[in-house]
Amino acid sequence: GQNIDQPTEMTATEGAIVQINCTYQTSGFNGLFWYQQHAGEAPTFLSYNVLDGLEEKGRFSSFLSRSKGYSYLLLKELQMKDSASYLCAVRDRRGQNFVFGPGTRLSVLP
Amino acid sequence: DSGVTQTPKHLITATGQRVTLRCSPRSGDLSVYWYQQSLDQGLQFLIQYYNGEERAKGNILERFSAQQFPDLHSELNLSSLELGDSALYFCASSVHRDRGMNEQFFGPGTRLTVL
Repeated sequence: GQNIDQPTEMTATEGAIVQINCTYQTSGFNGLFWYQQHAGEAPTFLSYNVLDGLEEKGRFSSFLSRSKGYSYLLLKELQMKDSASYLCAVRDRRGQNFVFGPGTRLSVLP
Repeated sequence: DSGVTQTPKHLITATGQRVTLRCSPRSGDLSVYWYQQSLDQGLQFLIQYYNGEERAKGNILERFSAQQFPDLHSELNLSSLELGDSALYFCASSVHRDRGMNEQFFGPGTRLTVL
């Protein structure tokens, strides 16, 4: 079956660093995506990992370990506007079916 | 603005009714995906079309159906509506390459309320 786990909620302080974890068990693997979603709005693409290691993109970095079925999204220099839900999604072996995790709601406090 | 458009933005209807949601993908994108997002659930994949043909099916109820037209726009039809069908319905599109990111770009969503 397909299963993706993320913490439900996290809280961090403005200017700090936060790490959002994602573990997955899927019938195949062809890439992992992170999306940001503000309440009532559409998800927007943040990052993509298909090989093991760290991908850095400005204040956001994403890490993947395929052998452990594990990824994390690292957000640095947190800003109030980073308060949102962060969705982890895995693309299956067929390459086009996406499975989304439940999302982690991040609150950034002043 | 992702380039994906969805209409209508809001829809209020009664139980037992039938509605059609419409999606236009980004220019050049051949794949269209439909998702349902309820308050108590995450993003649930419903169905994917690629260049007019059904490509993958997720947790889509038999009361729901979709199609993609030659101009690549897509429609999601929801019939015999129930209170539990109230949700945000998102459409997303992507290019279709055998390799590469093929990240999805999401439309603004249609908020369906069934009374």
